[in-house]
Amino acid sequence: DTEVTQTPKHLVMGMTNKKSLKCEQHMGHRAMYWYKQKAKKPPELMFVYSYEKLSINESVPSRFSPECPNSSLLNLHLHALQPEDSALYLCASSGRWDPQRGAQYFGPGTRLTVL
Amino acid sequence: GQQVMQIPQYQHVQEGEDFTTYCNSSTTLSNIQWYKQRPGGHPVFLIQLVKSGEVKKQKRLTFQFGEAKKNSSLHITATQTTDVGTYFCASYNAGNNRKLIWGLGTSLAVNP
Repeated sequence: DTEVTQTPKHLVMGMTNKKSLKCEQHMGHRAMYWYKQKAKKPPELMFVYSYEKLSINESVPSRFSPECPNSSLLNLHLHALQPEDSALYLCASSGRWDPQRGAQYFGPGTRLTVL
Repeated sequence: GQQVMQIPQYQHVQEGEDFTTYCNSSTTLSNIQWYKQRPGGHPVFLIQLVKSGEVKKQKRLTFQFGEAKKNSSLHITATQTTDVGTYFCASYNAGNNRKLIWGLGTSLAVNP
């Protein structure tokens, strides 16, 4: 099962709200990723967790706060976002023991609109 | 830093015509991956190439990795409307095997 799930599918929030995006995978992958994607652009890496530890933070503003509660779950906490943060937020996972080692499997994404 | 250039940016074809997208790098790549993203969808992994001169086929799709491992191509034979989407190449950063460097993508439109 090469499925990554994300909730919610859509989110509209004001600049003073606090919300969270959730991601789950049951492929036994130990690397999980958050990406931001704007229209007609490639995904832009935000964070990488490896074995539940944050291994890459691509200088993301602190209004985005990632969390990895366990090896299957990844959260992205949002607070005081700006309208320019409106985008598709994608979660992905990869596993070194996957037959296609290094392949990243993406969830369907959360389409975020900040008003 | 490592960059992957992808051309063309857009391609519009008649159904049944062939299509090719190209990725190039000024540095040697350890691997190249290809993803497809349908309109309104998410990137879906297609294939990974790691060996110099490697050629892999998936039905009407042919993937090549150059002998010098600095370029790659994806060729679709006899396009169908189901091929519509954006095709991205990506390669892991030489110094960091968790960070993919993405091409800008080629957006394919197919006229029925």
